Amino acid sequence: KNEVEQSPQNLTAQEGEFITINCSYSVGISALHWLQQHPGGGIVSLFMLSSGKKKHGRLIATINIQEKHSSLHITASHPRDSAVYICAVGGGSQGNLIFGKGTKLSVKP
Amino acid sequence: NAGVMQNPRHLVRRRGQEARLRCSPMKGHSHVYWYRQLPEEGLKFMVYLQKENIIDESGMPKERFSAEFPKEGPSILRIQQVVRGDSAAYFCASSPLGGALTDTQYFGPGTRLTVL
Repeated sequence: KNEVEQSPQNLTAQEGEFITINCSYSVGISALHWLQQHPGGGIVSLFMLSSGKKKHGRLIATINIQEKHSSLHITASHPRDSAVYICAVGGGSQGNLIFGKGTKLSVKP
Repeated sequence: NAGVMQNPRHLVRRRGQEARLRCSPMKGHSHVYWYRQLPEEGLKFMVYLQKENIIDESGMPKERFSAEFPKEGPSILRIQQVVRGDSAAYFCASSPLGGALTDTQYFGPGTRLTVL
């Protein structure tokens, strides 16, 4: 079993839909990261959170430390949101992030 | 303020050659992380460096791979005697404060290594 599991693996949505991507982890962590990888391969850090909820524009990230679970929500989705969304957690040592395999999102116009 | 820069963006090597990947962190950042993304797989941590120091190399293969971040100049990830299995995208990230557990990381565009 992977230490970081994401679901779904693939997600297709219509423009305007509300989207949720889930991340569950089995290791103790201090922080969880959500990243976005564009079709061209570039990676952008969206959120880093250790508790509660963060919001940036149409993106919302939540984390429940007790349940070892985080969600990334996209409101009013748009085709430009199409990308791979990656969850990563701190694995113990200072630099060692453990990554999920990513969720490939495709938003159709 | 330029972002994290990596070069080359694409690198082709034949088996047995050496590959050198460079990463210039964002201005003011003294912490650098290297990650590898194999085809159809997720990102994997390789090494975390500060200027002139390796902080965590727990993700580095034991042989052929080395990394440095000198006082002056970019961070270098060096792969000696490359094999086909080294073909991957190598990403560098930097942060101002250090410690992946507590600090946002800014990613470079990656270097795509192809070993023939």
